[in-house]
Amino acid sequence: QVQLVQSGAEVKKPGASVKVSCKASGYTFTTYDINWVRQATGQGLEWMGWMNPNTGNTGYAQKFQGRVTMTWNTSISTAYMELSSLRSEDTAVYYCARNVVDRLDPWGQGTLVTVSS
Amino acid sequence: QSVLTQPPSVSAAPGQKVTISCSGSSSNIGNNYVSWYQQVPGTAPKLLIYENNKRPSGIPDRFSGSKSGTAATLGITGLQTGDEADYYCGTWDSSLSAVVFGGGTKLTVL
Repeated sequence: QVQLVQSGAEVKKPGASVKVSCKASGYTFTTYDINWVRQATGQGLEWMGWMNPNTGNTGYAQKFQGRVTMTWNTSISTAYMELSSLRSEDTAVYYCARNVVDRLDPWGQGTLVTVSS
Repeated sequence: QSVLTQPPSVSAAPGQKVTISCSGSSSNIGNNYVSWYQQVPGTAPKLLIYENNKRPSGIPDRFSGSKSGTAATLGITGLQTGDEADYYCGTWDSSLSAVVFGGGTKLTVL
């Protein structure tokens, strides 16, 4: 079945960077975009951006422009999201999700990133 | 503040019906498909409805979706305690060139 498996929890200091991975299985990795969405504790879903592993195109939410980089390794069907200049407000669960036309399905299990001094 | 507007909470008794609204604008709901996601606390969101009113395989027909103009609605009939979760609407916003979500609605089955 189609599955996205993310890397484990991270603890980072303010100013550092974090790189979260998302390994896809059960489908051809280059066929669909991967989107990244985050959720702070007790808050709603916040979209961060998308990447297309076939065309090489990416698109980032304005809020994260300049701080986020989405990359991938097609040979191992894995997407990455790197967020730099971390601050306490970046503490959240980060999700990857496959974009099938106009919907996000499935989602990864989530990766908790904690930013604390 | 979210681009799409949902009520913070709804509640109903087991076996009853509930609807959750999602209001947007012409740049998002008005001209794009709406999806709905269910998130049980502590777990990842799960696709519930796509293309306004279609259900992925495995989603019971107790769940339905509709769209009219710049608003969408999620309906759940025959409520079960297992339906207690947060529900989010989502769509593409052509002006922002971004995926936008509602703030989420917490469903309580009394």
